[in-house]
Amino acid sequence: DGGITQSPKYLFRKEGQNVTLSCEQNLNHDAMYWYRQDPGQGLRLIYYSQIVNDFQKGDIAEGYSVSREKKESFPLTVTSAQKNPTAFYLCASSIRPYNEQFFGPGTRLTVL
Amino acid sequence: SQQGEEDPQALSIQEGENATMNCSYKTSINNLQWYRQNSGRGLVHLILIRSNEREKHSGRLRVTLDTSKKSSSLLITASRAADTASYFCATDGNSGYALNFGKGTSLLVTP
Repeated sequence: DGGITQSPKYLFRKEGQNVTLSCEQNLNHDAMYWYRQDPGQGLRLIYYSQIVNDFQKGDIAEGYSVSREKKESFPLTVTSAQKNPTAFYLCASSIRPYNEQFFGPGTRLTVL
Repeated sequence: SQQGEEDPQALSIQEGENATMNCSYKTSINNLQWYRQNSGRGLVHLILIRSNEREKHSGRLRVTLDTSKKSSSLLITASRAADTASYFCATDGNSGYALNFGKGTSLLVTP
Protein backbone atom coordinates (compact mmCIF):
# COMPACT_ATOMS: atom_id res chain seq x y z
CA ASP A 1 0.00 0.00 0.00
CA GLY A 2 1.97 2.97 -1.29
CA GLY A 3 1.76 6.40 0.18
CA ILE A 4 3.30 9.18 2.16
CA THR A 5 3.10 9.37 5.93
CA GLN A 6 3.77 12.12 8.42
CA SER A 7 4.16 11.87 12.14
CA PRO A 8 3.11 12.94 14.62
CA LYS A 9 -0.32 14.29 13.68
CA TYR A 10 -0.26 16.83 16.50
CA LEU A 11 2.86 18.23 18.14
CA PHE A 12 3.24 20.64 21.00
CA ARG A 13 6.46 22.43 21.67
CA LYS A 14 7.70 24.82 24.28
CA GLU A 15 9.36 28.00 23.13
CA GLY A 16 13.08 27.54 22.62
CA GLN A 17 12.87 23.85 21.75
CA ASN A 18 13.76 22.26 18.46
CA VAL A 19 11.34 19.67 17.09
CA THR A 20 11.60 17.27 14.17
CA LEU A 21 8.68 16.35 11.93
CA SER A 22 8.85 13.03 10.16
CA CYS A 23 7.97 12.41 6.51
CA GLU A 24 8.29 9.01 4.84
CA GLN A 25 7.22 7.82 1.39
CA ASN A 26 7.28 4.40 -0.24
CA LEU A 27 6.32 5.64 -3.70
CA ASN A 28 9.92 5.56 -4.95
CA HIS A 29 9.68 9.28 -5.70
CA ASP A 30 12.83 11.30 -6.25
CA ALA A 31 11.42 14.70 -5.25
CA MET A 32 10.13 15.65 -1.81
CA TYR A 33 8.80 18.92 -0.41
CA TRP A 34 7.88 20.64 2.84
CA TYR A 35 5.16 23.28 2.97
CA ARG A 36 3.76 25.44 5.71
CA GLN A 37 0.09 26.40 5.78
CA ASP A 38 -1.36 29.06 8.05
CA PRO A 39 -5.13 29.42 8.66
CA GLY A 40 -6.97 30.54 5.54
CA GLN A 41 -3.75 30.70 3.59
CA GLY A 42 -2.18 28.81 0.78
CA LEU A 43 0.94 26.68 0.91
CA ARG A 44 4.34 28.23 1.29
CA LEU A 45 7.39 26.23 0.34
CA ILE A 46 9.97 25.68 3.08
CA TYR A 47 12.44 23.26 1.49
CA TYR A 48 12.51 20.81 -1.37
CA SER A 49 14.75 17.99 -2.46
CA GLN A 50 15.09 16.68 -6.00
CA ILE A 51 17.31 13.76 -5.09
CA VAL A 52 19.03 12.07 -2.16
CA ASN A 53 21.69 14.17 -0.42
CA ASP A 54 20.50 17.34 -2.13
CA PHE A 55 17.98 19.95 -1.00
CA GLN A 56 17.15 23.56 -1.77
CA LYS A 57 15.67 26.40 0.25
CA GLY A 58 12.17 27.49 -0.56
CA ASP A 59 10.52 30.83 0.11
CA ILE A 60 10.48 30.61 3.93
CA ALA A 61 13.47 28.45 4.92
CA GLU A 62 14.68 30.63 7.80
CA GLY A 63 14.40 28.81 11.13
CA TYR A 64 14.02 25.39 9.49
CA SER A 65 16.45 22.65 8.49
CA VAL A 66 16.12 19.38 6.56
CA SER A 67 18.12 16.33 5.59
CA ARG A 68 17.73 13.81 2.79
CA GLU A 69 19.96 10.87 3.64
CA LYS A 70 17.53 8.29 2.26
CA LYS A 71 15.21 8.45 -0.72
CA GLU A 72 12.23 7.53 1.44
CA SER A 73 12.74 10.08 4.19
CA PHE A 74 12.77 13.88 4.38
CA PRO A 75 12.57 15.05 8.01
CA LEU A 76 12.02 18.70 8.85
CA THR A 77 13.45 20.31 11.99
CA VAL A 78 11.79 23.42 13.30
CA THR A 79 14.44 25.25 15.26
CA SER A 80 14.14 27.80 18.03
CA ALA A 81 15.16 30.41 15.48
CA GLN A 82 11.73 30.13 13.83
CA LYS A 83 9.85 32.98 15.46
CA ASN A 84 6.30 31.90 14.70
CA PRO A 85 6.29 28.13 14.17
CA THR A 86 2.65 27.40 15.04
CA ALA A 87 1.20 26.14 11.75
CA PHE A 88 0.09 23.12 9.75
CA TYR A 89 3.03 21.40 8.03
CA LEU A 90 2.57 19.36 4.89
CA CYS A 91 5.04 17.03 3.25
CA ALA A 92 4.70 15.97 -0.38
CA SER A 93 6.54 13.91 -2.94
CA SER A 94 6.53 13.58 -6.71
CA ILE A 95 8.19 11.22 -9.14
CA ARG A 96 9.90 14.18 -10.75
CA PRO A 97 9.79 17.96 -10.21
CA TYR A 98 6.64 19.62 -11.61
CA ASN A 99 4.75 16.33 -11.71
CA GLU A 100 1.67 15.53 -9.65
CA GLN A 101 2.47 15.83 -5.96
CA PHE A 102 1.26 13.35 -3.37
CA PHE A 103 0.67 14.82 0.07
CA GLY A 104 0.88 13.39 3.54
CA PRO A 105 -1.88 14.01 6.10
CA GLY A 106 0.02 16.86 7.76
CA THR A 107 1.38 17.69 11.20
CA ARG A 108 -0.17 20.46 13.27
CA LEU A 109 2.50 22.11 15.39
CA THR A 110 1.55 24.31 18.31
CA VAL A 111 4.05 26.28 20.33
CA LEU A 112 3.01 26.72 23.94
CA SER B 1 6.45 32.99 -4.03
CA GLN B 2 2.77 32.43 -4.72
CA GLN B 3 2.28 32.84 -8.42
CA GLY B 4 -1.26 31.50 -8.68
CA GLU B 5 -4.20 33.47 -7.32
CA GLU B 6 -7.62 31.88 -7.06
CA ASP B 7 -10.88 33.73 -7.37
CA PRO B 8 -13.27 33.87 -5.63
CA GLN B 9 -11.80 33.37 -2.15
CA ALA B 10 -15.03 31.72 -1.04
CA LEU B 11 -17.99 30.26 -2.86
CA SER B 12 -21.26 28.93 -1.48
CA ILE B 13 -23.69 26.98 -3.65
CA GLN B 14 -26.44 24.40 -3.33
CA GLU B 15 -26.18 20.77 -4.27
CA GLY B 16 -26.76 20.19 -7.95
CA GLU B 17 -25.41 23.59 -8.99
CA ASN B 18 -22.17 24.08 -10.87
CA ALA B 19 -19.14 25.64 -9.18
CA THR B 20 -16.59 27.65 -11.10
CA MET B 21 -13.34 28.90 -9.68
CA ASN B 22 -10.58 30.75 -11.44
CA CYS B 23 -6.83 30.95 -11.21
CA SER B 24 -4.57 33.66 -12.57
CA TYR B 25 -0.79 33.49 -12.74
CA LYS B 26 2.02 35.81 -13.74
CA THR B 27 4.79 34.04 -15.63
CA SER B 28 4.88 31.44 -18.38
CA ILE B 29 4.25 27.86 -17.32
CA ASN B 30 4.77 24.30 -18.51
CA ASN B 31 1.70 22.99 -16.72
CA LEU B 32 -0.97 23.99 -14.23
CA GLN B 33 -2.45 21.69 -11.63
CA TRP B 34 -5.54 21.78 -9.44
CA TYR B 35 -5.66 20.28 -5.95
CA ARG B 36 -8.37 19.80 -3.36
CA GLN B 37 -7.98 19.97 0.42
CA ASN B 38 -10.55 18.84 2.93
CA SER B 39 -10.38 20.64 6.25
CA GLY B 40 -7.33 19.63 8.27
CA ARG B 41 -6.09 17.16 5.67
CA GLY B 42 -3.39 16.95 3.03
CA LEU B 43 -3.99 18.02 -0.55
CA VAL B 44 -5.22 15.66 -3.23
CA HIS B 45 -4.28 16.10 -6.87
CA LEU B 46 -7.27 16.57 -9.17
CA ILE B 47 -6.00 17.34 -12.63
CA LEU B 48 -2.97 18.57 -14.57
CA ILE B 49 -3.24 20.57 -17.77
CA ARG B 50 -0.24 21.25 -19.96
CA SER B 51 0.49 24.61 -21.54
CA ASN B 52 -0.35 23.27 -25.02
CA GLU B 53 -3.79 22.03 -23.88
CA ARG B 54 -6.87 24.23 -23.74
CA GLU B 55 -9.34 21.99 -21.96
CA LYS B 56 -9.32 18.81 -19.95
CA HIS B 57 -12.02 16.71 -18.34
CA SER B 58 -12.02 14.26 -15.46
CA GLY B 59 -15.39 12.97 -14.33
CA ARG B 60 -17.39 16.01 -13.14
CA LEU B 61 -14.35 18.26 -13.41
CA ARG B 62 -13.57 20.46 -16.37
CA VAL B 63 -10.43 22.57 -16.50
CA THR B 64 -9.63 25.20 -19.07
CA LEU B 65 -6.37 27.00 -19.65
CA ASP B 66 -5.85 30.28 -21.51
CA THR B 67 -2.12 30.96 -21.69
CA SER B 68 -2.66 34.28 -23.48
CA LYS B 69 -4.59 35.54 -20.45
CA LYS B 70 -2.51 33.54 -17.98
CA SER B 71 -5.62 32.09 -16.43
CA SER B 72 -7.32 28.77 -15.75
CA SER B 73 -10.74 27.78 -14.52
CA LEU B 74 -12.01 24.73 -12.70
CA LEU B 75 -15.65 23.79 -13.18
CA ILE B 76 -17.30 21.23 -10.94
CA THR B 77 -20.62 20.16 -12.39
CA ALA B 78 -23.61 18.92 -10.38
CA SER B 79 -21.92 19.69 -7.06
CA ARG B 80 -22.42 17.47 -4.05
CA ALA B 81 -22.05 18.20 -0.35
CA ALA B 82 -18.93 16.01 -0.44
CA ASP B 83 -17.29 18.53 -2.79
CA THR B 84 -17.04 20.97 0.13
CA ALA B 85 -13.34 21.69 0.38
CA SER B 86 -10.67 24.21 -0.54
CA TYR B 87 -9.36 24.14 -4.08
CA PHE B 88 -5.89 25.28 -5.04
CA CYS B 89 -4.19 25.87 -8.34
CA ALA B 90 -0.46 25.27 -8.65
CA THR B 91 1.94 26.34 -11.35
CA ASP B 92 5.50 25.51 -12.19
CA GLY B 93 7.80 28.32 -13.23
CA ASN B 94 9.95 30.66 -11.27
CA SER B 95 10.59 28.66 -8.10
CA GLY B 96 13.26 26.31 -9.34
CA TYR B 97 11.80 22.85 -9.39
CA ALA B 98 8.87 23.27 -7.03
CA LEU B 99 5.25 24.25 -7.62
CA ASN B 100 3.75 27.58 -6.61
CA PHE B 101 0.39 27.31 -4.89
CA GLY B 102 -2.27 29.98 -4.68
CA LYS B 103 -4.26 30.79 -1.54
CA GLY B 104 -7.22 28.70 -2.64
CA THR B 105 -10.97 28.95 -3.09
CA SER B 106 -13.09 27.69 -0.22
CA LEU B 107 -16.16 25.92 -1.61
CA LEU B 108 -19.21 25.19 0.50
CA VAL B 109 -21.92 23.00 -1.00
CA THR B 110 -25.12 22.90 1.04
CA PRO B 111 -27.76 20.19 0.74
